[in-house]
Amino acid sequence: QSVLTQPPSASGTPGQRVTISCSGTISNIENTDVYWYQQLPGTAPKLLIYKNRHRPSGVPDRFSGSKSDTSASLAVNGLRSEDEADYFCAAWDDSLSAWVFGGGTRLTVL
Amino acid sequence: DVKLVESGGGLVQPGGSLRLSCAASGFTFSVYAMHWVRQAPGKGLQHVSAIDPNGRSTYYADAVKGRFTISRDNSENTLYLHLSSLRPEDTAIYYCVKGYYYDSSGYLNSWGQGTLVTVSS
Repeated sequence: QSVLTQPPSASGTPGQRVTISCSGTISNIENTDVYWYQQLPGTAPKLLIYKNRHRPSGVPDRFSGSKSDTSASLAVNGLRSEDEADYFCAAWDDSLSAWVFGGGTRLTVL
Repeated sequence: DVKLVESGGGLVQPGGSLRLSCAASGFTFSVYAMHWVRQAPGKGLQHVSAIDPNGRSTYYADAVKGRFTISRDNSENTLYLHLSSLRPEDTAIYYCVKGYYYDSSGYLNSWGQGTLVTVSS
């Protein structure tokens, strides 16, 4: 079982807005930054959002992140077929002194 | 560009050993913390081990403590993970990951393509 909690699946039609939640505790999300990774089928995870809401260069602005207290969210606006992937949230856990992850959310574009 | 290339994975029997390598290029390897993260088939991600730039400070997940050893050779820009007393539950893709800075709490910003370790008789 993962330290951070994500819904196992999410879906939407092309053009829709979809949000994925990530829930943690005071020892991780509340006191540190949240990161989001996109894993396309058969590939390695790729950093999608860093420090709660920032996008690395090359990541479309359709992707956005937010954080409040012990929860974080990833939003995908204008959903496209190429967004179909697994999405993982991550945070540093102060009590474990380790990186912890959510179990991943599989996003399906209907 | 940062490039991380893992090797050394394969099929090994329970109780066996394996050494994974990660060849790094495109950045100053000796100043960054490095990590190993694994992903069991169809499962999520698990932070397995980490090492600081000098190799003096290391982290191990409880599940692998005493069985895995992380090390690095800064002169060769290579990260290692020695796996021993392997169990079927260690079956996973093992990713080499670069940290954002010298401390292990720096975020995981660049990932290799992974190497598959399968533990089975």
